Amino acid sequence: QSVLTQPPSASGTPGQRVTISCSGSSSNIESNYVYWYQQLPGTAPKLLIYRNNQRPSGVPDRFSGSKSGTSASLAISGLRSEDEADYYCAAWDDSLRGGVFGGGTKLTVL
Amino acid sequence: EVQLLESGGGLVQPGGSLRLSCAASGFTFTSYAVSWVRQAPGKGLQWVSGISGSGVNTYYADSVKGRFTISRDNSKNTLYLQMNSLRAEDTAIYYCAKIPMTTVTTYLDYWGQGTLVTVSS
Repeated sequence: QSVLTQPPSASGTPGQRVTISCSGSSSNIESNYVYWYQQLPGTAPKLLIYRNNQRPSGVPDRFSGSKSGTSASLAISGLRSEDEADYYCAAWDDSLRGGVFGGGTKLTVL
Repeated sequence: EVQLLESGGGLVQPGGSLRLSCAASGFTFTSYAVSWVRQAPGKGLQWVSGISGSGVNTYYADSVKGRFTISRDNSKNTLYLQMNSLRAEDTAIYYCAKIPMTTVTTYLDYWGQGTLVTVSS
């Protein structure tokens, strides 16, 4: 089991808005930044959101992140077929003194 | 252009050893921390280890502590992962990733393409 909990799957139709949750604890999400990664099939992961809600250059503003207490969320608006991928949340864990990832959410665009 | 190129993966027997390398270019290597992240076949990402820009501070996942050693040679712009006492559950693609600061976090802004490690008899 992963330290951070994500739903294994999510889906939506083109143009819809979908959200992916990430649940943790006081030692990780509540006290540290959350990061989100997108992994397209057969490729290396790519940074999607950093420091809870910041987008790297080149990431469309359709992607947004938020954090509240021990949970975080990734929202994707105006869903497109190319958004079909696996999404992972990550944070530092002060108790483990190491990084932790969520189990990943497979997003399907119907 | 930032590039990270992993090498050293392959097939190894249980109990064996392997050393992975990650050659970095396109940035001032010594100024940034770096990490190893792995992904077992068909599974999710797992953080493995991280090392600060100076190399002084190192961190490990509990699952590899005492078996894996992370190190870096800043004169060669290269990151290493020495893996000993390998187990079947260490089978994975191993990615190296750059952190845009000197301290270790899960803020991984550039990733390599990965190298496959298979532990099997």
